[in-house]
Amino acid sequence: GQQLNQSPQSMFIQEGEDVSMNCTSSSIFNTWLWYKQDPGEGPVLLIALYKAGELTSNGRLTAQFGITRKDSFLNISASIPSDVGIYFCAGQLIRGGTSYGKLTFGQGTILTVHP
Amino acid sequence: SAVISQKPSRDICQRGTSLTIQCQVDSQVTMMFWYRQQPGQSLTLIATANQGSEATYESGFVIDKFPISRPNLTFSTLTVSNMSPEDSSIYLCSLERGETQYFGPGTRLLVL
Repeated sequence: GQQLNQSPQSMFIQEGEDVSMNCTSSSIFNTWLWYKQDPGEGPVLLIALYKAGELTSNGRLTAQFGITRKDSFLNISASIPSDVGIYFCAGQLIRGGTSYGKLTFGQGTILTVHP
Repeated sequence: SAVISQKPSRDICQRGTSLTIQCQVDSQVTMMFWYRQQPGQSLTLIATANQGSEATYESGFVIDKFPISRPNLTFSTLTVSNMSPEDSSIYLCSLERGETQYFGPGTRLLVL
């Protein structure tokens, strides 16, 4: 089946530093999604990408949908303590004009920000 | 975005018992999903629940163990049957809106 490789597995950074994480897939996806999960919470959608090559920003977050449709990256600029959490990438297929729905998740990147 | 609630938020259960988790969403949706997140792991899809049809289960998950109901377009339940400690996980429901999925807060289950 499809697998997503997300890296790095964890990051320890100082407040104010920029962060970059990425996901690669053995298969093509039609949609890439990036989520953040805080302890005790469900994943919260950060950015959704729908087209190959698409570059989208949401505040200090920037994500890109790779040209090959097999990869995506997420950048966080000027990190702050509340950025702490687990970040997941997820890929989704679209079939026959409608969403198949199933998300395949990466393993997650645990981000720790030191004040 | 979407407003999704789950009940219970957490529970501790004895092995051999069953627990039914409820998921309520803020507006009508066709597709709802149930995921499992084992401790320290990523999310794995259990099944897709469309209103008016049987749930579609992913490889490794069966209806006898995880029966799902979808009585209307805003509600679904997942039952974890005959529980064992290996079922200790976070169970999350999600909905699809605009080719994007939104997740509920999860139900934290500990089986002793």
